[in-house]
Amino acid sequence: KAGVTQTPRYLIKTRGQQVTLSCSPISGHRSVSWYQQTPGQGLQFLFEYFSETQRNKGNFPGRFSGRQFSNSRSEMNVSTLELGDSALYLCASSLQDSTNEKLFFGSGTQLSVL
Amino acid sequence: AQTVTQSQPEMSVQEAETVTLSCTYDTSESDYYLFWYKQPPSRQMILVIRQEAYKQQNATENRFSVNFQKAAKSFSLKISDSQLGDAAMYFCAYRRGRSGNTPLVFGKGTRLSVIA
Repeated sequence: KAGVTQTPRYLIKTRGQQVTLSCSPISGHRSVSWYQQTPGQGLQFLFEYFSETQRNKGNFPGRFSGRQFSNSRSEMNVSTLELGDSALYLCASSLQDSTNEKLFFGSGTQLSVL
Repeated sequence: AQTVTQSQPEMSVQEAETVTLSCTYDTSESDYYLFWYKQPPSRQMILVIRQEAYKQQNATENRFSVNFQKAAKSFSLKISDSQLGDAAMYFCAYRRGRSGNTPLVFGKGTRLSVIA
């Protein structure tokens, strides 16, 4: 079974631009979560989608948004990029709807904002 | 808000030796889960071990075991017979337990080096 796939692996953008990152969960998984990883702040939760509905949202500005499609694939979008948005963005999927569910992570998208 | 603290930014261990990584957390919840994740250079977070707070018995997974001290809010990871492939960043994480998925709260990580 294929793992969680994130595309692209690397991305370079300039300030003010917008970016869209994609995450394909493991087949059959309905929950997708996004995390931002930076050297300074560590790993921080962005949002979580389950069956196309956002269920949880972290403490990030409205420039960060996401969505989930009917096939459970998810995208996150960052508008008006800032230098501080440079980070590794990790996506994780899980089968259902339980805190005890194991999360499977992708290898992330490394975003650099110049 | 829940917080997770890893006080050791870096650790090293000789191959075949044992190493313990520390983690403390702060929560007022009684129902929660604790995790150790490994992040190798490939960047993919891999679950190493999981502990349910309601379980008294410490979790073990092959060479990996935890020392869960609920009253002290401590959750350390012991790696026995360390191997070169164990070299990675290790993150301790907390997850509040209730219906539906709740986010993981991560510590800042410990970088483990394994010396041949």
